[in-house]
Amino acid sequence: DTAVSQTPKYLVTQMGNDKSIKCEQNLGHDTMYWYKQDSKKFLKIMFSYNNKELIINETVPNRFSPKSPDKAHLNLHINSLELGDSAVYFCASSQRANNEQFFGPGTRLTVL
Amino acid sequence: KQEVTQIPAALSVPEGENLVLNCSFTDSAIYNLQWFRQDPGKGLTSLLLIQSSQREQTSGRLNASLDKSSGRSTLYIAASQPGDSATYLCAVRGSQGNLIFGKGTKLSVKP
Repeated sequence: DTAVSQTPKYLVTQMGNDKSIKCEQNLGHDTMYWYKQDSKKFLKIMFSYNNKELIINETVPNRFSPKSPDKAHLNLHINSLELGDSAVYFCASSQRANNEQFFGPGTRLTVL
Repeated sequence: KQEVTQIPAALSVPEGENLVLNCSFTDSAIYNLQWFRQDPGKGLTSLLLIQSSQREQTSGRLNASLDKSSGRSTLYIAASQPGDSATYLCAVRGSQGNLIFGKGTKLSVKP
């Protein structure tokens, strides 16, 4: 299936731990994004990469570090997890920054 | 700073009714506007993309319009069905390509 996929789908962890979320797209797109959907269901951009280069870095704690090993992958690593990091994280991709974006199924992160 | 507002926050209609969801944005300098649906516990499904030079887009029973000068878009759903029940999100594209989302309209279509 052509799609944007994320792993894991659910992630439950303790405060202070370090965790990673992986994202892969097989759509041949050159731009990938991470969005955060908070408890009130509001979606906000966190990062955007174009051809493995960071082009958007919103006001996000530096405990969050995206890594793009190649155009098809954009992983999100989170250090020293805090309760407020609990949210659903969505990966998305598009061909060039101004075209239609396609979203992954989301990763629900719960920090205890 | 671009802000996107969706009204109403929630809407309940009987099956078969035609309905309109509204989206407004504060900065008319947008590249395009995208409508999504989100089912509970699921990801976002892209419904329609309207480029800034377009006035409307249609897909099946869905029609989205865009009036850039007034900062408004509407999503028209014809002959609504229970399967249309979901949260509908409007998003405008910023200058760097990121989407700026509204808070959504939660639609419930009653059989």
